[in-house]
Amino acid sequence: AQSVTQLDSQVPVFEEAPVELRCNYSSSVSVYLFWYVQYPNQGLQLLLKYLSGSTLVKGINGFEAEFNKSQTSFHLRKPSVHISDTAEYFCAVSDRVGGGADGLTFGKGTHLIIQP
Amino acid sequence: NAGVTQTPKFRVLKTGQSMTLLCAQDMNHEYMYWYRQDPGMGLRLIHYSVGEGTTAKGEVPDGYNVSRLKKQNFLLGLESAAPSQTSVYFCATGITDTQYFGPGTRLTVL
Repeated sequence: AQSVTQLDSQVPVFEEAPVELRCNYSSSVSVYLFWYVQYPNQGLQLLLKYLSGSTLVKGINGFEAEFNKSQTSFHLRKPSVHISDTAEYFCAVSDRVGGGADGLTFGKGTHLIIQP
Repeated sequence: NAGVTQTPKFRVLKTGQSMTLLCAQDMNHEYMYWYRQDPGMGLRLIHYSVGEGTTAKGEVPDGYNVSRLKKQNFLLGLESAAPSQTSVYFCATGITDTQYFGPGTRLTVL
């Protein structure tokens, strides 16, 4: 079984400031890691994913995340946010052993609020 | 190329009524999923399918049934709706390491 903890339910940030959204996971097996974004009244869009290889992963819209196996973390960062980044962000894991077929386990989400 | 579509977009039911949500995909993916999203809870997996004719239970399957008679369609049924099933329902399709989500169905049970 897996679980995902997003440590902050809301993160307010000023426009053009850097941001970090925190994600920790626990699992008895090795996992794939994902960040999804949800804009108001829309579905989920994949930001980035970690499957293997380099622990620093770059995604769309200038976001990146770093996989830290020893700390079981996968924090999302952006060096300079824009008002259009206001959205809900979800961290998720899937079971690597099962090939990712049996679905995603999501965190509860972090609402990123960009202040002008 | 529509990707993943969900029908209907909105629905209001009375307690005890039944309904079926339809998910359709044109991406030729083997895997399909139904999730529900509730405020402060993230998304939770209801049922999933790894191929035509197969289904499996997820984290919160009680009160729901599913069918995957055709590869491109995944149906989610509520036999006797309850207020606790008020939620936004998302369908997703996937390959090994990525899932693609539909726009969601907002269901209210009174």
